[in-house]
Amino acid sequence: SYEMTQPLSVSVALGQTARITCGGNNIGSKDVHWYQQKPGQAPVLVIYRNNNRPSGIPERFSGSNSGNTATLTISRAQAGDEADYYCQVWDSSTQVFGGGTKLTVL
Amino acid sequence: EVQLVESGGGLVQPGGSLRLSCAASGFAFRDYDMHWVRRPTGKGLEWVSSIGPAGDTYYPGSVKGRFTISRENAKNSFYLQMNSLRAGDTAVYYCAREGKGDYNDAFDIWGQGTMVTISS
Repeated sequence: SYEMTQPLSVSVALGQTARITCGGNNIGSKDVHWYQQKPGQAPVLVIYRNNNRPSGIPERFSGSNSGNTATLTISRAQAGDEADYYCQVWDSSTQVFGGGTKLTVL
Repeated sequence: EVQLVESGGGLVQPGGSLRLSCAASGFAFRDYDMHWVRRPTGKGLEWVSSIGPAGDTYYPGSVKGRFTISRENAKNSFYLQMNSLRAGDTAVYYCAREGKGDYNDAFDIWGQGTMVTISS
């Protein structure tokens, strides 16, 4: 089964840029989606198909996907961006999530 | 308003059964693939099952043979029947809609979640 690897945690200074990676074998050939989940809340889709933002998601959120790594980039990080972030792909009739990354804004 | 609302969570003994429900509103439910996703306490998201508009179903190995997903389009609802429950099934269970078109394979709408606890 397909597996994706995310760092357990990423820290970023307020106002700086955070990058959260999602590694997988030839992940660049797949469509990667990203979710934000805050404590006690349901996940929210923040990036779909690698680099597209749903309506209502700030332009500060962007994504890229190439080779063996997909990346979620959060520019001008705010305190409200503190959350767990997950990458997700479809593979062989199953949905697969990365292990998740806890983003801390310092 | 597009909305999903779960119900049916609770405390069950190991080996027991539980049925979760998800009520959809605000969209053409019968046209969408629907999913269950869970988050065990202290762990990450895990996909649990899916059902297509035609009733085709899929499961990961961790729940295959124990969980059954079904849908009732006339009631804009779908369900998760969970049998032979184990401590490892303890989690918040979310129902989610898979998007269409550009949103294909992405979960664009989520319910608020329902807690399932397996303990004696």
